[in-house]
Amino acid sequence: DTAVSQTPKYLVTQMGNDKSIKCEQNLGHDTMYWYKQDSKKFLKIMFSYNNKELIINETVPNRFSPKSPDKAHLNLHINSLELGDSAVYFCASSQDLAGRTDTQYFGPGTRLTVL
Amino acid sequence: KQEVTQIPAALSVPEGENLVLNCSFTDSAIYNLQWFRQDPGKGLTSLLLIQSSQREQTSGRLNASLDKSSGRSTLYIAASQPGDSATYLCAVSLNDMRFGAGTRLTVKP
Repeated sequence: DTAVSQTPKYLVTQMGNDKSIKCEQNLGHDTMYWYKQDSKKFLKIMFSYNNKELIINETVPNRFSPKSPDKAHLNLHINSLELGDSAVYFCASSQDLAGRTDTQYFGPGTRLTVL
Repeated sequence: KQEVTQIPAALSVPEGENLVLNCSFTDSAIYNLQWFRQDPGKGLTSLLLIQSSQREQTSGRLNASLDKSSGRSTLYIAASQPGDSATYLCAVSLNDMRFGAGTRLTVKP
C-alpha cells in the first residue's frame, strides 16, 4: 500500500497557467507538508498543515496556496505559473508536528516543468 | 537561521568498502536529525532518525551518530553494495525541517 501518494508525477505546462498537485496519505498522520526541491537538490519546506490549520508558511509567493479538504489530503494550487516554479515538489506527512518525534514519510514527488 | 551542509557532494567507492558521509548544522537547537535516501526520480526514504537526546542509531549496515553540541552527524555504511548507490540527505528538525544538499554515492561493482 502506498503511504503517501502524489498526482500527477509529471506536469508540463505553459507560463501563466494555473495548476494543482494532489497529495494523499493513508497513514493517519496529523501533519502534512509540501517541499520544493530546486535544481541544486535543496529541499525547502513550503507549507505544513496540522489538523487542517496552516502552521508554517515559509516566504513563498501567494500564488501558491495549500488546500486541505480533510486530514488525509493536502493539495497544492499554483496560480500564474512562472519559469522559476519549475522544480520537483514533494508531499510528506508525519504523526507529530514538524516531525519532532516521528519520521516524515515522503511521496514520490511531482516534477513540474513550466515552459 | 539553520544551515545544513553535507560533505562530500559526491562519493564513488568500490563495492565492499566502508564509508562515512558527513552532515553539519549551524544551530544545535534541534529536536532530531534524520538521514534519508533519494533514488533518481523518486521520493525520499527515511533511513534513520536520531532524537536530540540520542547519540546514535543503527539499522542493518547503517549507523548514524549525532553530536549536537558540535553540530555534526555522520552516516556510516558498512560493506557497501551497488544497491546503496543513491543520494543521501540529512535533515534537522526544530520548527520545520531543514535539508542539506545531499551526498551522491556511487558504489561500483
